Amino acid sequence: AQSVTQPDIHITVSEGASLELRCNYSYGATPYLFWYVQSPGQGLQLLLKYFSGDTLVQGIKGFEAEFKRSQSSFNLRKPSVHWSDAAEYFCAVGAREYGNKLVFGAGTILRVKS
Amino acid sequence: ETGVTQTPRHLVMGMTNKKSLKCEQHLGHNAMYWYKQSAKKPLELMFVYNFKEQTENNSVPSRFSPECPNSSHLFLHLHTLQPEDSALYLCASSQPGADNEQFFGPGTRLTVL
Repeated sequence: AQSVTQPDIHITVSEGASLELRCNYSYGATPYLFWYVQSPGQGLQLLLKYFSGDTLVQGIKGFEAEFKRSQSSFNLRKPSVHWSDAAEYFCAVGAREYGNKLVFGAGTILRVKS
Repeated sequence: ETGVTQTPRHLVMGMTNKKSLKCEQHLGHNAMYWYKQSAKKPLELMFVYNFKEQTENNSVPSRFSPECPNSSHLFLHLHTLQPEDSALYLCASSQPGADNEQFFGPGTRLTVL
């Protein structure tokens, strides 16, 4: 069965510090990988996505993620966090073989301290 | 209006009420989804529609009844709900056969008393 694990429920970082949010997946097919962000009371907004090619992908708001097939991971990074990055972040996995469904992780809540 | 819109944004209902949630997408997509987001639980896929046909029902109780009259509109009809159905209900759309990227609406915060 497909699954996505985000090991960290909460993460707190200082403004200006670097950030890494972890995502591991278990998928039988070649995955499509996504990171979404959700601010309180809002829907999910796509930060970035990976389908093929370069394993380091750039997204909006200065985020990037690296696909590591050997580790079944797709960790999200940002070199310098801003207070406005405080939100909940979701990793999601899909595959053409499974139609247009996505499986989401449980989310990581990011707190930024000044 | 652009993107995916949902109405109402907030809804409070009693267990004997009947209400409907509405979703509209202005992206020209042909797939639409209902998700349930409860506190401290992963996002739960409820229903998937492709080209107006329901292709996925993820063991959702019959008190939730979806309707997709055309590719741009999706409804979720609610009746005889339980307090544990209180959650944020998110609608999303995508283009089938593309990269599975889903675009989400802002959600309807539902409270069942």
